[in-house]
Amino acid sequence: GENVEQHPSTLSVQEGDSAVIKCTYSDSASNYFPWYKQELGKRPQLIIDIRSNVGEKKDQRIAVTLNKTAKHFSLHITETQPEDSAVYFCAATGGNEKLTFGTGTRLTIIP
Amino acid sequence: DTAVSQTPKYLVTQMGNDKSIKCEQNLGHDTMYWYKQDSKKFLKIMFSYNNKELIINETVPNRFSPKSPDKAHLNLHINSLELGDSAVYFCASSRPGLGGYTFGSGTRLTVV
Repeated sequence: GENVEQHPSTLSVQEGDSAVIKCTYSDSASNYFPWYKQELGKRPQLIIDIRSNVGEKKDQRIAVTLNKTAKHFSLHITETQPEDSAVYFCAATGGNEKLTFGTGTRLTIIP
Repeated sequence: DTAVSQTPKYLVTQMGNDKSIKCEQNLGHDTMYWYKQDSKKFLKIMFSYNNKELIINETVPNRFSPKSPDKAHLNLHINSLELGDSAVYFCASSRPGLGGYTFGSGTRLTVV
């Protein structure tokens, strides 16, 4: 089955700086890679996703890149703000629609 | 309108009891899931149903039994609760091919 690894587990960034979270996956058949943000006590919410036929996708301050050959994908957050503080999860899914999640990154933005 | 709703939001119960968590989605999605999030925040799939049919059953103890009366509902019944069952349980739904899940607000289960 799919195995998703996520690094780092914790990340502290000065407000205004950029944050990068990296994930690797094991199943070359995986074709969909979403990122979720989970604030304390809340549900995970989809913030951006990318499919295997695309190398990069951007939505305002958030971007995701995918390297299919290396089975890497990354989340980039620029101009970080205090409200970006949360736990971020990467995930990967293949043909059976089952999402396998990474272990999460706790991002703290330091004012 | 809440897209994926779960009840109850909190559940505190004693070891050995039987409890149920209910989930309903009004998004018209075909597939529904149960995920368990432990104290370390790991999100692990338990079950998946597509149009009332079980399609994913991870290595979950038999004490956990999902039931899907129709494609908009997926309930989770847990027998003989144990301390290790304490976690947040999330229901989610998706439409095949579109990928993204919509999660419910979670049920925090505490077994004492």
